Amino acid sequence: EDQVTQSPEALRLQEGESSSLNCSYTVSGLRGLFWYRQDPGKGPEFLFTLYSAGEEKEKERLKATLTKKESFLHITAPKPEDSATYLCAVHLISSGSARQLTFGSGTQLTVLP
Amino acid sequence: NAGVMQNPRHLVRRRGQEARLRCSPMKGHSHVYWYRQLPEEGLKFMVYLQKENIIDESGMPKERFSAEFPKEGPSILRIQQVVRGDSAAYFCASSAAGGYTDTQYFGPGTRLTVL
Repeated sequence: EDQVTQSPEALRLQEGESSSLNCSYTVSGLRGLFWYRQDPGKGPEFLFTLYSAGEEKEKERLKATLTKKESFLHITAPKPEDSATYLCAVHLISSGSARQLTFGSGTQLTVLP
Repeated sequence: NAGVMQNPRHLVRRRGQEARLRCSPMKGHSHVYWYRQLPEEGLKFMVYLQKENIIDESGMPKERFSAEFPKEGPSILRIQQVVRGDSAAYFCASSAAGGYTDTQYFGPGTRLTVL
């Protein structure tokens, strides 16, 4: 069964304390892996798309990497405004449903000043 | 530079009433997706539509739920005879094309509360 698992469920960091969030998947034939940020009461905000193993993308303090079985979202020197839930999603490969995103349950990040 | 728009942002209905949720995709986007986020659960796909066509409704409950994306106007997610279990945040997303790698951009959501 295709699955997306994110860890940890929750993470508390001090401002400036770098860390990584994990997204592992068991999708047969990855087409694309997406990272989103979701603030309370808001919709997911697109961050990155990764297509193939070895690919990396960066945006400000965030860097996303992809291997054959997992993706990492590295946060360097985080600030309190980076506090949010970070969601990972993949395209589910099965007949007739290739365009739906399958989401993980998210990592709730809190950055303390 | 309007993003995906959804209205209403909050909707309160009593059990048995109908709920209509509207979604206007980003300018230039013709592909619309609906997702539901139940309390303490992740986002779940419901339906994928293009103009005047339902492409994939594999995530839609079999009864009471329907969706449309007419030639003119917003996409509508309709829930008939709502029950308490329908209380959730409903998100719409849109993309420029329907390929595997096309980014889906999300709206702010409609929070449905069923009393």
